[in-house]
Amino acid sequence: AQTVTQSQPEMSVQEAETVTLSCTYDTSESDYYLFWYKQPPSRQMILVIRQEAYKQQNATENRFSVNFQKAAKSFSLKISDSQLGDAAMYFCAYRRRGSSNTGKLIFGQGTTLQVKP
Amino acid sequence: GAVVSQHPSRVICKSGTSVKIECRSLDFQATTMFWYRQFPKQSLMLMATSNEGSKATYEQGVEKDKFLINHASLTLSTLTVTSAHPEDSSFYICSARDNWGTEAFFGQGTRLTVV
Repeated sequence: AQTVTQSQPEMSVQEAETVTLSCTYDTSESDYYLFWYKQPPSRQMILVIRQEAYKQQNATENRFSVNFQKAAKSFSLKISDSQLGDAAMYFCAYRRRGSSNTGKLIFGQGTTLQVKP
Repeated sequence: GAVVSQHPSRVICKSGTSVKIECRSLDFQATTMFWYRQFPKQSLMLMATSNEGSKATYEQGVEKDKFLINHASLTLSTLTVTSAHPEDSSFYICSARDNWGTEAFFGQGTRLTVV
């Protein structure tokens, strides 16, 4: 069975600084997606970034980038120039790819990010 | 991105009554919908997966008779918590995806309080 592990329950970063959130996963599949979701105090889940496993290039979205290490099964999120609005709970998620797949997401435990002014 | 609307955002009900939560995809056809439960400061726990016109597939440990899921159309899925008890109080979130989409889109969530 696939699992996703976030080993940092809480992280903090100074405004304008950079922070990296860790995520590891376990799967025997070779074709899958990885995601980072943000859940602010409103509790609305927001997609931050997505990575296809077949792509070697790391995904980037403005201030957000990932370090995808497929062999190591690691998928960390780097937030540059942190802003107060980045304060939220962040979830790493895995999803198998393929026509027979329902698209079920497997979530990590979450990391609460605090941004200090 | 696509919009998923979940209603109500908050509901308080008396113990023993049933409550229905709706999840609508507003601008796409949701062939698959997912229902999650989330406790404070914890991760999302998948309760069930539903495909339009089919019976829902429940995760292990989730009582199908207590949490009734109906996905009767391509834009609407409902979760009914039957004979609710205080331990059912939680935050419930739905998400939906179409046949081709890579990602699932999430509703705003429903905070259920059973008194």
